Amino acid sequence: DVQMTQSPSYLAASPGESVSISCKASKSISNNLAWYQEKPGKANKLLIHSGSTLQSGTPSRFSGSGSGTDFTLTIRSLESEDFAVYYCQQYNEYPLTFGSGTKLEIK
Amino acid sequence: QVQLQQSGTELVKPASSVKISCKASGYTFTSNYMHWIRQQPGNGLEWIGWIYPGNGNTKYNQKFDGKATLTADKSSSTAYMQLSSLTSEDSAVYFCAGGWFFDFWGPGTMVTVSS
Repeated sequence: DVQMTQSPSYLAASPGESVSISCKASKSISNNLAWYQEKPGKANKLLIHSGSTLQSGTPSRFSGSGSGTDFTLTIRSLESEDFAVYYCQQYNEYPLTFGSGTKLEIK
Repeated sequence: QVQLQQSGTELVKPASSVKISCKASGYTFTSNYMHWIRQQPGNGLEWIGWIYPGNGNTKYNQKFDGKATLTADKSSSTAYMQLSSLTSEDSAVYFCAGGWFFDFWGPGTMVTVSS
C-alpha cells in the first residue's frame, strides 16, 4: 500500500497568516492527489484534486503543489472558517489511502 | 443540490451483521462512483471500496474483503454497505462519498459493536 505521511499533525496559526501542510507518499503517485477538509458537524469537503486543481467552490486562498512523492497544501490569509482538519489522499493505485490528518487550530 | 443521506446510528452485537444506507439526490446516481470510508475513533480515514451503481461493478480494499459488501439500488438511488462478523474493531463512523475524487460526502453513520 502507498503510505501517505502528513506533517505537521497539529498546526496553530492566527487569522491572516499563511500556512503549509506537507504530504509525502511512500512511492511516486504522479499528481494523483487530493486534499479534503473536515469540520465538526459538516460533511467533508473536497478542496483540491490532481495535486493542484481547485474543486469548484474552493476559495482561491487555497493552493496545492507537488508531484511524484512530495505535495503541499498552502492556505494564504487564513480565515476563521479555515480552522479544521485536513487530509491528503492518493488515488494513483489501490487501495486508495489517506494521510493521517493535520489539525489546524487558532493560535 | 447534491446530498447524501445516511442511515442512523447502529448499536449491534458482536458476530452479527449490519447494513447501512446512503441515499443520493441532486446528481446522476448511476453515473458516479460511490465510495465507502471508515473512520475508527481517534483514527484517520480508511477506504473500504467503491461501487459503480450504473453496472454494479465493485472494487474493494483487500483489507475489507469478506467484511464489507457493497450494493446499490438504482430505483431508489441508494447505496448500501453490509458489514458482517462484527467485532469491536468494526466500531467506527462509516461515510459514503460520491464521485471519483470523493467529491461529496455523507454525514457518516456511527456503528458501535458491543454486547
